[in-house]
This record gives sequence, C-alpha cells and structure tokens, in this order.
Amino acid sequence: NAGVMQNPRHLVRRRGQEARLRCSPMKGHSHVYWYRQLPEEGLKFMVYLQKENIIDESGMPKERFSAEFPKEGPSILRIQQVVRGDSAAYFCASQTAGPNYGYTFGSGTRLTVV
Amino acid sequence: GESVGLHLPTLSVQEGDNSIINCAYSNSASDYFIWYKQESGKGPQFIIDIRSNMDKRQGQRVTVLLNKTVKHLSLQIAATQPGDSAVYFCAEGFGNTPLVFGKGTRLSVIA
Repeated sequence: NAGVMQNPRHLVRRRGQEARLRCSPMKGHSHVYWYRQLPEEGLKFMVYLQKENIIDESGMPKERFSAEFPKEGPSILRIQQVVRGDSAAYFCASQTAGPNYGYTFGSGTRLTVV
Repeated sequence: GESVGLHLPTLSVQEGDNSIINCAYSNSASDYFIWYKQESGKGPQFIIDIRSNMDKRQGQRVTVLLNKTVKHLSLQIAATQPGDSAVYFCAEGFGNTPLVFGKGTRLSVIA
C-alpha cells in the first residue's frame, strides 16, 4: 500500500513561469490537504479538498494559487507567475473520511524559483 | 504575531537520556492533538496523538501529556537514540478543521 505520493520531488522555475505540484493520496483516502513550509518554520495550511470539491481554502493566497482534486487522478496545486517568495517545500497530506485523525504526509515538493 | 526567519529552538540531549519537548497550543476548543517528527528532507511522520478527554497517552518509548488548563502539550521520549534526531511539531485540531501546526523544536542527540 503506497503512501502519499508527491511529484516532482524538486522543481525549479524561473520567475513568471507556472508550477504544478501533484499529490496522489493513499488508497482509500478521499481528503487531501496542502501545506507550505518555509525553511526553519512550521507547516502553514493552504487548502483542504475532497473529490471535486474545495472544502476550505482559507490559507491560499488570493491570487496566482489554485488547487483541484478531480474525480480521477491526483490533486494538483498550481502556482501561476511564480515569484521568489513562492520558494518553499509544499506538502500534501491525506486522510480517510471521518472526524479528525492524524494525516499521512507525502515527502513534499521543494520549489525553487530563480 | 508570527516571527519569520528565526531559527528553531533546539534541544540537545545525550544518547540514552530522556527528552521532553514542549508545545503551547492556541485554541482552547481544540479537541485533538498530534506530535509529528520531521527528518531532514522528508515529510512529517505521525508519532502519537491524544484527544482532549485524556491527559496522558503512551506509545512505544513515547508519552504525550496534555494539560488543558494551561493549554500545554509535551512529548517525552525515553532512552533517546541518534535516530530520534529530527524536528518535532505539535499540531492541534478541532472537529474537521485542518490541523494547525506549531513552530517546531529541533532535537539533537549527542552520541
């Protein structure tokens, strides 16, 4: 049973390009969370999705960032027109349905904007 | 408010000693708490959790203590080993709201 799979592990983008980060949740998990982590800091919540629905996007910047979790395929976090401040590690976590339990995290995508 | 760019607090312990990592949480309505371990270059790994109707829970070599009166959570690691070196985060949750993570503590084990 594979864990949460994120790809790519490392992504380098020039300022102004688009970044697409992918997350395949654990088998049977229908809830996906995206978090961002700056060096030497904790994880900051960005968005919570279920299949085809955004449940909570209160942590997402209003511009340039979007997320989806389609009926088929992985969840995608998209960052348009990246800036240097977007450089961070982006982690995806998944959870089975129900009340709050511990999330299972992927290994993250480290985005570097040059 | 948040501080950006500060180094994580560090706890250094001798191999074989017990470690205690502390966390102050913010929401008195939180009913679920978790400790995660994050090794360099990896994602957070679940260690142990506790619900607000408990004040202590034990796992293998780890114990979590919850003091709701002062909104304090601690993680105790017995007989600390070099493999325990990592950053440890506490997280709090309420109902189905997303987990909120603390700033983290770096544990450094001295062999």
